[in-house]
Amino acid sequence: NAGVTQTPKFQVLKTGQSMTLQCAQDMNHNSMYWYRQDPGMGLRLIYYSASEGTTDKGEVPNGYNVSRLNKREFSLRLESAAPSQTSVYFCASSRDSASFGELFFGEGSRLTVL
Amino acid sequence: QKEVEQNSGPLSVPEGAIASLNCTYSDRGSQSFFWYRQYSGKSPELIMFIYSNGDKEDGRFTAQLNKASQYVSLLIRDSQPSDSATYLCAVNGAAGNKLTFGGGTRVLVKP
Repeated sequence: NAGVTQTPKFQVLKTGQSMTLQCAQDMNHNSMYWYRQDPGMGLRLIYYSASEGTTDKGEVPNGYNVSRLNKREFSLRLESAAPSQTSVYFCASSRDSASFGELFFGEGSRLTVL
Repeated sequence: QKEVEQNSGPLSVPEGAIASLNCTYSDRGSQSFFWYRQYSGKSPELIMFIYSNGDKEDGRFTAQLNKASQYVSLLIRDSQPSDSATYLCAVNGAAGNKLTFGGGTRVLVKP
């Protein structure tokens, strides 16, 4: 059972380039989330999807877009990468929006923007 | 003021001792409190949650909640080197169904 799978695990971009982080879960969860983690800042919510067909902004949505492709998949897109977006990105899922605190995380995607 | 505050550490604890971690939060409306453990280079994993004032025990872990004083604590009894990790406190925010994380406390258990 893979749980939450993220790709790619590592990526280096130049300022202004675009890319998409992919996330898929096989736990039949309804809710999915994208977080970023920076040293000393904890995890900050970028976007979330309470259920298939819905997406909402989190604490730090600027510079990002998301797509809930189906129940399993939730992607995060950087349209024009900036050095401030250098971070570790985690995708997570929960059974439903009421279980928002019981998160299952992917392994993370380490992104460096030069 | 950060919404969820933790001492970054490191908290150095001898093997077999009790590690005590504290977390304070600013939103009096918060109702749900979670502790996640994150090993270096790995993803966070949920270890405890608590919703009511008082203590909740799970194995060697005890979560303590005091809503009046707006703090939540995590005690790790009989600390083991394998407990060396960063512990993240998380609280539901004003919007209700979203978590706000603290910066984490790094714990080092020395044999």
